[in-house]
Amino acid sequence: EAQVTQNPRYLITVTGKKLTVTCSQNMNHEYMSWYRQDPGLGLRQIYYSMNVEVTDKGDVPEGYKVSRKEKRNFPLILESPSPNQTSLYFCATGVLGQETQYFGPGTRLLVL
Amino acid sequence: AQTVTQSQPEMSVQEAETVTLSCTYDTSESDYYLFWYKQPPSRQMILVIRQEAYKQQNATENRFSVNFQKAAKSFSLKISDSQLGDAAMYFCAYRERSQGNLIFGKGTKLSVKP
Repeated sequence: EAQVTQNPRYLITVTGKKLTVTCSQNMNHEYMSWYRQDPGLGLRQIYYSMNVEVTDKGDVPEGYKVSRKEKRNFPLILESPSPNQTSLYFCATGVLGQETQYFGPGTRLLVL
Repeated sequence: AQTVTQSQPEMSVQEAETVTLSCTYDTSESDYYLFWYKQPPSRQMILVIRQEAYKQQNATENRFSVNFQKAAKSFSLKISDSQLGDAAMYFCAYRERSQGNLIFGKGTKLSVKP
């Protein structure tokens, strides 16, 4: 079954405590990306990756890092989380040139 | 830069009636995709319908159809025979064919009254 998984699904943390949200896909997709969703703002892209070891900034990259060492995984790293990073995060994957992207179930993050 | 605008923050429809959600976008590109995503209370992003810009025929998926006006850069979603399960947030999104980035509107919250 084609899947995009995210872990954890819910996380409450404190300011400054490093955390990683994982994203994994089993569809051999080259393209992976992270979005954050905030009320009244829709979804905005944080980072994306065209393939292994190829990553680039999206529209709102400040405060985030990513890595793509394997094709199936694309973790999102918050080195020093702040309350303004409280949000709902989505990982999405796809094949470049094809129209459909697949979204993970989302990770709800609260930074106190 | 490309932008997507949903001018209706909230909409309401009576069960079994028809509702149309509006979306306009701005781009100088000619080859792109347009999408409508549904986000129910579970927060899952569900693809409802998609349209390729070079296809003139409007896409249809069961009770969901679009009115794609390329020259006007308009992409509205029509939901026919509305059901209670259609209540959700709906997002319009744009993507260039060669790019991966989806650009989303701010969403329209649809309520369905029994």
